Amino acid sequence: GAGVSQSPRYKVAKRGQDVALRCDPISGHVSLFWYQQALGQGPEFLTYFQNEAQLDKSGLPSDRFFAERPEGSVSTLKIQRTQQEDSAVYLCASSPPGGFLRAQYFGPGTRLLVL
Amino acid sequence: KNQVEQSPQSLIILEGKNCTLQCNYTVSPFSNLRWYKQDTGRGPVSLTIMTFSENTKSNGRYTATLDADTKQSSLHITASQLSDSASYICVAGGSGTYKYIFGTGTRLKVLA
Repeated sequence: GAGVSQSPRYKVAKRGQDVALRCDPISGHVSLFWYQQALGQGPEFLTYFQNEAQLDKSGLPSDRFFAERPEGSVSTLKIQRTQQEDSAVYLCASSPPGGFLRAQYFGPGTRLLVL
Repeated sequence: KNQVEQSPQSLIILEGKNCTLQCNYTVSPFSNLRWYKQDTGRGPVSLTIMTFSENTKSNGRYTATLDADTKQSSLHITASQLSDSASYICVAGGSGTYKYIFGTGTRLKVLA
């Protein structure tokens, strides 16, 4: 069956450019997470959606980062005025309903390089 | 501070050998402990999920153990295969929260 998909897989941006990263979760999954993974590190929490509601955005590094999930399915992570420190892999994960003990299913990630 | 520490950082073993990866966590109140496998350039894939009341869980050649008293977990890989070469990430979950704490992973290389 279809897993979590993310696009683009790779993105090179010039410093100061805006970028938009897309996540298509598994159909029926109500929970959606965004993570930032620096090279050689574990993923770090950015934000969490339950359906269309963004319940937690405390992990977003700055107000240049914005995430939305307007219809409770596809989600977009937008980074405005990109900086070199934004270079990382951005992972999206979704979980089925049933509480926080359910497994997370990760997409392949978008590798962002800011020059 | 909630955190997860893994050891060793990297490990090289020969195909067919067994190995054990370690994880120490300080997450309170603690709810569950997860192990993921992450191939290079891919997203993490769930191997096991254990609640605080479980001591062991297996998934094929992967067996995870949990000691909630000492806040330690291990992942044992039996009869390693070349395809086991990957990073293995330990993740601790707090009670009633979706904010999982990820370790930095153990990078395993299996040689023929």
